Amino acid sequence: SQQGEEDPQALSIQEGENATMNCSYKTSINNLQWYRQNSGRGLVHLILIRSNEREKHSGRLRVTLDTSKKSSSLLITASRAADTASYFCATGTSGSRLTFGEGTQLTVNP
Amino acid sequence: DAGVIQSPRHEVTEMGQEVTLRCKPISGHDYLFWYRQTMMRGLELLIYFNNNVPIDDSGMPEDRFSAKMPNASFSTLKIQPSEPRDSAVYFCASSHNRGRNEKLFFGSGTQLSVL
Repeated sequence: SQQGEEDPQALSIQEGENATMNCSYKTSINNLQWYRQNSGRGLVHLILIRSNEREKHSGRLRVTLDTSKKSSSLLITASRAADTASYFCATGTSGSRLTFGEGTQLTVNP
Repeated sequence: DAGVIQSPRHEVTEMGQEVTLRCKPISGHDYLFWYRQTMMRGLELLIYFNNNVPIDDSGMPEDRFSAKMPNASFSTLKIQPSEPRDSAVYFCASSHNRGRNEKLFFGSGTQLSVL
């Protein structure tokens, strides 16, 4: 079964708006990562947050992690049409495994 | 850096045929992962290697699947015999992991269709 579950499954917004995606997981983690996948392409790493961190920023991306609730959120500010893609959270647990969630399909309308 | 290179980009084959997918990881990366992506099951980890040694193959669906990494710059995933339910996108990814789940670099994937 998937370790991470993203919410919502699909999100459609207008250019310039903010997009928020959530990820919940079940077991203790070493870190949590977010990836983006454009249609027909491989996944691209966006940001990594460690279990002892609560918030991290990278450009227009902001990630939060709440280990007590076993949840994370990805915020994309001032979205652009080019942000249209699927976004996946991935949890790093024991060893070197990374387990991916089912993804959120984001559509940014121009 | 050329990134992770996978070949072929697309593969169409008939049921029962042998399929071999290839991957060249990023130079210097010591971990290599094979994932499979389908609409029904999402991204599934099939197997991963560390320093060319298979570490965890618990995700390999059945004996029809096998993976090798003869050296640090090449890995193969073989399906023999192939079945229609094997149709999926197969991704290879590599990382310089140091055992702390560091970020993965993905190839562009192989779209496999088994007729």
